[in-house]
Amino acid sequence: DTEVTQTPKHLVMGMTNKKSLKCEQHMGHRAMYWYKQKAKKPPELMFVYSYEKLSINESVPSRFSPECPNSSLLNLHLHALQPEDSALYLCASSPSEGRVGYTFGSGTRLTVV
Amino acid sequence: DAKTTQPPSMDCAEGRAANLPCNHSTISGNEYVYWYRQIHSQGPQYIIHGLKNNETNEMASLIITEDRKSSTLILPHATLRDTAVYYCIVRSQGGSEKLVFGKGMKLTVNP
Repeated sequence: DTEVTQTPKHLVMGMTNKKSLKCEQHMGHRAMYWYKQKAKKPPELMFVYSYEKLSINESVPSRFSPECPNSSLLNLHLHALQPEDSALYLCASSPSEGRVGYTFGSGTRLTVV
Repeated sequence: DAKTTQPPSMDCAEGRAANLPCNHSTISGNEYVYWYRQIHSQGPQYIIHGLKNNETNEMASLIITEDRKSSTLILPHATLRDTAVYYCIVRSQGGSEKLVFGKGMKLTVNP
């Protein structure tokens, strides 16, 4: 298995909802990443997990809460989002933090209404 | 500050070689040149990386100038499926080094 799987592919949520994005990989990678991508912009790093511990938080608002339950899974919990948080959320993994060969998922297209 | 400079867009005819330039005049000795691409509505895809020697894999070739201040990604026989935004990224392989995307370059392969 050489893929990063993200679910759901599309999500529409209200500003008072709580939802979660899921990311899964079975390549034995020990680093996992969340990126956010607005339309016509490059991906922006949000969080880095290394060996299931949070390594980098790029000053992301607390309404985004990451979780890494095990080495294969990465979640992004969403609460009280704003319409401007609508974006494509991308998950990636790599053999270890900083190593070559990031594998990205296809993303979750999030719309906040 | 962006570490790389790429033209915003480029066109290429199908079947021809696509040569994608990237300037990285402030690159450090321990920094690698990475190329990723992002096809519309998909996640970025790793293409190739190099330090100072030219590199080739099944997807592309990477030519790095001797002074390492610029590089060229070569897609030898471009197809319509190669239409994408291509990102040239300079970074070291240290554990805390982030993968930071710049604006990239839109390559359009025309029939």
